[in-house]
Amino acid sequence: AQTVTQSQPEMSVQEAETVTLSCTYDTSESNYYLFWYKQPPSRQMILVIRQEAYKQQNATENRFSVNFQKAAKSFSLKISDSQLGDTAMYFCAFMNPRGDKIIFGKGTRLHILP
Amino acid sequence: DTGVSQDPRHKITKRGQNVTFRCDPISEHNRLYWYRQTLGQGPEFLTYFQNEAQLEKSRLLSDRFSAERPKGSFSTLEIQRTEQGDSAMYLCASSLTEVNTEAFFGQGTRLTVV
Repeated sequence: AQTVTQSQPEMSVQEAETVTLSCTYDTSESNYYLFWYKQPPSRQMILVIRQEAYKQQNATENRFSVNFQKAAKSFSLKISDSQLGDTAMYFCAFMNPRGDKIIFGKGTRLHILP
Repeated sequence: DTGVSQDPRHKITKRGQNVTFRCDPISEHNRLYWYRQTLGQGPEFLTYFQNEAQLEKSRLLSDRFSAERPKGSFSTLEIQRTEQGDSAMYLCASSLTEVNTEAFFGQGTRLTVV
């Protein structure tokens, strides 16, 4: 069974700083998909960034980038120039190649301090 | 159609009562997922539909839980004989068949069992 582990329950950084959120996963699949989702307080979950396991190049979306290490089964999220609006719960998620299940980690609560 | 819609947004029920939640996915999305999320935790997978077929069910989905998607459009999640431990946010998400596309989440139904 696939598992997703986020080892940082909570983090705080000053506005404009860079922060990295960690995620590891376990699977026997060779092809799969990884996601970071953001859940602001009392608001719905939205996708931040996605990575296909067969792509070696790390995904980037504006201030958000990932460090995908397939052999180590690691998928960290880097937020550059953090903004107050980045305050949220961040969930790492794994989807198998059949797409019939998306497994989430327990999340990291990120506080951006003014 | 601007997104995934869930109804009701909040439900308070007495222990032992039955409750039913509805999810309207984005209209062309044929994949639909249900999740349960307790406070401060990540979403736990409950079940998955591709069109009207329920293809995956979690062991978390006890015999008191049932989900349907009769015409491959909206879906319902019913909980019979509710227990206090069922209190949680119930999330619905939908996506297209192509597995690398994101799952879009609704705002959830918050269930409180008293």
